[in-house]
Amino acid sequence: ELKVEQNPLFLSMQEGKNYTIYCNYSTTSDRLYWYRQDPGKSLESLFVLLSNGAVKQEGRLMASLDTKARLSTLHITAAVHDLSATYFCAVPASNFGNEKLTFGTGTRLTIIP
Amino acid sequence: KAGVTQTPRYLIKTRGQQVTLSCSPISGHRSVSWYQQTPGQGLQFLFEYFSETQRNKGNFPGRFSGRQFSNSRSEMNVSTLELGDSALYLCASSLVGTASSRGYTFGSGTRLTVV
Repeated sequence: ELKVEQNPLFLSMQEGKNYTIYCNYSTTSDRLYWYRQDPGKSLESLFVLLSNGAVKQEGRLMASLDTKARLSTLHITAAVHDLSATYFCAVPASNFGNEKLTFGTGTRLTIIP
Repeated sequence: KAGVTQTPRYLIKTRGQQVTLSCSPISGHRSVSWYQQTPGQGLQFLFEYFSETQRNKGNFPGRFSGRQFSNSRSEMNVSTLELGDSALYLCASSLVGTASSRGYTFGSGTRLTVV
């Protein structure tokens, strides 16, 4: 059974600082997705990583995927308050051409002014 | 382009009742997946439908069921509601059931409270 672990679960950081969220998964997968969720809201797609070594950047967020290590990272550069949210990684398990996502536990990020 | 529409947004039901939730995917998308989100269990996959056929199912009891119509709209039904069914139910839309370069698009969710 696929297991996806994120750490840390909670992260409180000051504006302007850098930090990294880690996502480890237990079985082979060549793709991984990152989502953001604001309180009481739905999931917003941040990054789709489709191959080993994939790196995507959007603003102050950068995500990477190492399929051999079964590890993805979400790096936050010079954090700002607007980035406060819960971040989830999700690993797909394919079955007959469709995907079933297994989500990590989420990292609740709070940016302190 | 309209997004994924879920109705209703909020529901309060009594134990033992049944409930039906609706999801209209993005126009042209043929795959709809359903997820349950609770504080204790996190986000869990319920099932996926494509062209009116269930292709994948998560580890939920038979009280949870779904269907998809010819216009790709999907409904999920929960019978004999239990307190533990209180959750945010999210549906995700995709063209064929795998992520495009933009990932899956999730609806705003239906928050179900069972009392």
